[in-house]
Amino acid sequence: KAGVTQTPRYLIKTRGQQVTLSCSPISGHRSVSWYQQTPGQGLQFLFEYFSETQRNKGNFPGRFSGRQFSNSRSEMNVSTLELGDSALYLCASSLAGPQTNSPLHFGNGTRLTVT
Amino acid sequence: GQSLEQPSEVTAVEGAIVQINCTYQTSGFYGLSWYQQHDGGAPTFLSYNGLDGLEETGRFSSFLSRSDSYGYLLLQELQMKDSASYFCAVNSNYQLIWGAGTKLIIKP
Repeated sequence: KAGVTQTPRYLIKTRGQQVTLSCSPISGHRSVSWYQQTPGQGLQFLFEYFSETQRNKGNFPGRFSGRQFSNSRSEMNVSTLELGDSALYLCASSLAGPQTNSPLHFGNGTRLTVT
Repeated sequence: GQSLEQPSEVTAVEGAIVQINCTYQTSGFYGLSWYQQHDGGAPTFLSYNGLDGLEETGRFSSFLSRSDSYGYLLLQELQMKDSASYFCAVNSNYQLIWGAGTKLIIKP
């Protein structure tokens, strides 16, 4: 079974630009979560989707948005990039979601660098 | 607020046993999970405790006491490949709330 696939692996953008990251979950997984990982802050929750519905959103500004498609694939978008958005963005899928004992399966992440 | 506390770094010798503690203060608690992350890699699931007590999976065990808001991960027969960061995370309302991670350094 294929794992969680995130594209692209690396991105370099300049301040003010926008970026779209993509995530393909494990087949059959309907929950997709996004996390931001930075050395100083650890993993911070961005949002969680289940069957195209956003069930929860973390404490990030409105520049961060996401969506999930009918095939469970998900995208997140960051507009008006700031230097502080430089981070590893991780996508995770699970059968039922993080409020259950269903393990989260992570992709290898997208490393975003904003200059 | 919501917070998880775990040691930032632990050092142990190959073949030994190490315990990584985690205390938490969160709302919407469903369970406590543990993940391992090697440098440059993605977090991988190790264990989940939804009820009080000990869960054992091979060389790894995890414990939870909900009344004490406390859990730990126990790694036995340490191997060099266990060198990684270990995260405790609370399963909450449609999200995981993460600790800052414990870097485990293993010496031969």
